[in-house]
Amino acid sequence: DTGVSQDPRHKITKRGQNVTFRCDPISEHNRLYWYRQTLGQGPEFLTYFQNEAQLEKSRLLSDRFSAERPKGSFSTLEIQRTEQGDSAMYLCASSLATGGVGNEQFFGPGTRLTVL
Amino acid sequence: DAKTTQPNSMESNEEEPVHLPCNHSTISGTDYIHWYRQLPSQGPEYVIHGLTSNVNNRMASLAIAEDRKSSTLILHRATLRDAAVYYCILRPLIQGAQKLVFGQGTRLTINP
Repeated sequence: DTGVSQDPRHKITKRGQNVTFRCDPISEHNRLYWYRQTLGQGPEFLTYFQNEAQLEKSRLLSDRFSAERPKGSFSTLEIQRTEQGDSAMYLCASSLATGGVGNEQFFGPGTRLTVL
Repeated sequence: DAKTTQPNSMESNEEEPVHLPCNHSTISGTDYIHWYRQLPSQGPEYVIHGLTSNVNNRMASLAIAEDRKSSTLILHRATLRDAAVYYCILRPLIQGAQKLVFGQGTRLTINP
């Protein structure tokens, strides 16, 4: 399969626990993005990487959130001390950096987080 | 970020054309118009994009008004698999403008 994959697909945790999600982009894509989507809303941008460099972070990404892409391939998103408001679908996307604005982003199926 | 306005929902019948409108009155000269759609329980997928001229691809057509303040995504012959939320997004052509800014989109229902 050559699409974007995310693991796990579902995660249920208790408030205060830490969780980590993984995203594997399409293999030749050097840009990787994280978005969050709550019920009935469109996805909201969290952060993006070009290779291993994190180039932009949204104000939504509080200090409890951290994302890494250590070797410029897969990425992890960690949420520390989860809160009920963190319950959402976390989406990962990847794209090629070939210049221009037309580069489409390819999305994974998402990780649905439920914080009890 | 430039804002887009779309109807919350639309309904159409299978095998009929569907015209999904998007208003973007504050669009700047270097903003591209992108459309993505999100099928149930899936991540969004790219549909089409354009700048000034109308565009066609295998999925859809994009008609852009002459003043660029509005656009219409056209599905020529809707199928049940086209039932999704459709997002109209403006992407500025500036260095570093990589993120997609989604609104609430239009939920399209297709009746058999």
